[in-house]
Amino acid sequence: EVQLVESGGGLVQPGGSLRLSCAASGFTFSSYTMNWVRQAPGKGLEWVSYISSSSSTIYYADSVKGRFTISRDNAKNSLYLQMNSLRAEDTAVYYCARVISDWALDYWGQGTLVTVSS
Amino acid sequence: DIQMTQSPSSLSASVGDRVTITCRASQSISSYLNWYQQKPGKAPNLLIYAASSLQSGVPSRFSGSGSGTDFTLTISSLQPEDFATYYCQQTYSAPWTFGQGTKVDIK
Repeated sequence: EVQLVESGGGLVQPGGSLRLSCAASGFTFSSYTMNWVRQAPGKGLEWVSYISSSSSTIYYADSVKGRFTISRDNAKNSLYLQMNSLRAEDTAVYYCARVISDWALDYWGQGTLVTVSS
Repeated sequence: DIQMTQSPSSLSASVGDRVTITCRASQSISSYLNWYQQKPGKAPNLLIYAASSLQSGVPSRFSGSGSGTDFTLTISSLQPEDFATYYCQQTYSAPWTFGQGTKVDIK
């Protein structure tokens, strides 16, 4: 069974940092592109970042470029999102998601809540 | 960046109704269009990928069509479990963008 489990969310002050993790199981993690997607409270989905299976290709949304860094450790079946210079508008539930060959997100984690507030 | 615009933003419908949601891209995205369903407090669930391919395990009452800039998600006969918010997403070029969502609630 495919499972994606996010962790690392919490309350952080503006300007602070947080590192999210996503533990993958039930599939060959090293073969799949992965994404982060977020959802602010009561709002729609916002795509955040993309990393290819070998980490050779990485993309970011303009809203996080220069502040967030996506990475992965295929040996540990884990995906990460390092978030620096956090702002109130980064408050959201952050989901990790697997990308299938047809460029859709077929499995999602349960999400982890990040709250940026003083 | 490619902008995705869904319409309507919300709709009220009854069980058994045929429901259509549209998604328009700001430029051609070929068939790189996906549809997701999200229920409150839950992660999104993939319904349709590549504009018209039904994801495994998704009921056949869901269908997708379109290419280029205009796309449609159709629910042929709305069921109680279909009341949710639906999102389109383009994966033609980064940044991959979502539509603003369409909330389907009970009339």
